[in-house]
Amino acid sequence: DIVMTQTPLSLPVTPGEPASISCRSSQSLFDSGDGHTYLDWYLQKPGQSPQLLIYRLSYRASGVPDRFSGSGSGTDFTLTISRVETEDIGVYYCMQRMEFPFTFGPGTKVDIK
Amino acid sequence: QVTVRESGPALVKPTQTLTLTCTFSGFSLNTRGMCVSWVRQPPGKALEWLALIDWDYDQYYSSSLKTRLTISKDTSENQVVLTMTNMAPSDTGTYYCARVTPVDGLDVWGQGTTVTVSS
Repeated sequence: DIVMTQTPLSLPVTPGEPASISCRSSQSLFDSGDGHTYLDWYLQKPGQSPQLLIYRLSYRASGVPDRFSGSGSGTDFTLTISRVETEDIGVYYCMQRMEFPFTFGPGTKVDIK
Repeated sequence: QVTVRESGPALVKPTQTLTLTCTFSGFSLNTRGMCVSWVRQPPGKALEWLALIDWDYDQYYSSSLKTRLTISKDTSENQVVLTMTNMAPSDTGTYYCARVTPVDGLDVWGQGTTVTVSS
């Protein structure tokens, strides 16, 4: 199975400041067949179901603010929030769907300092 | 509008079999590329991917749970069923189903159904 790791596991943030989360996979998530990287980001706000933020490395899901961006390549990935807002608190998960079984990272809890 | 909704028992006893149903609308699981997946979350812990079924009836499972899981679909009823055998207290948690597309991933999630395993 592909193992996903995330750092940090806890991230206190200041509203208005940038924030970033790293994710690493044990194998490349780049599909040379179609040129896409199968790494998604999900946010689970307190008391809510997870929601899709970023798919295939860098594409924002419908309705996701442009302060969220995804980047990286191969096995190293980053989710960046350009200016954190209070509504961004929750747990962020990366997930690979390059191959089955899909696997999630351990999650990064983002809260306000 | 695409929606998915989980249903099932809130309480099961150890060693019993859990049966969960995902009822969806707004898309067809007969459409090429469409899939439905199950994900669970123990209390206070991370998400864990469990299983997926695709439009062509292909099934995929978590490596650690594959001997206990079965996923199936009833396209006439717009439902996907997940069964998990030999339930244990460590299986307690919230179980989510989600639509999966090849492009977007798990793009629509249900509200989750909470399952407690206790005698």
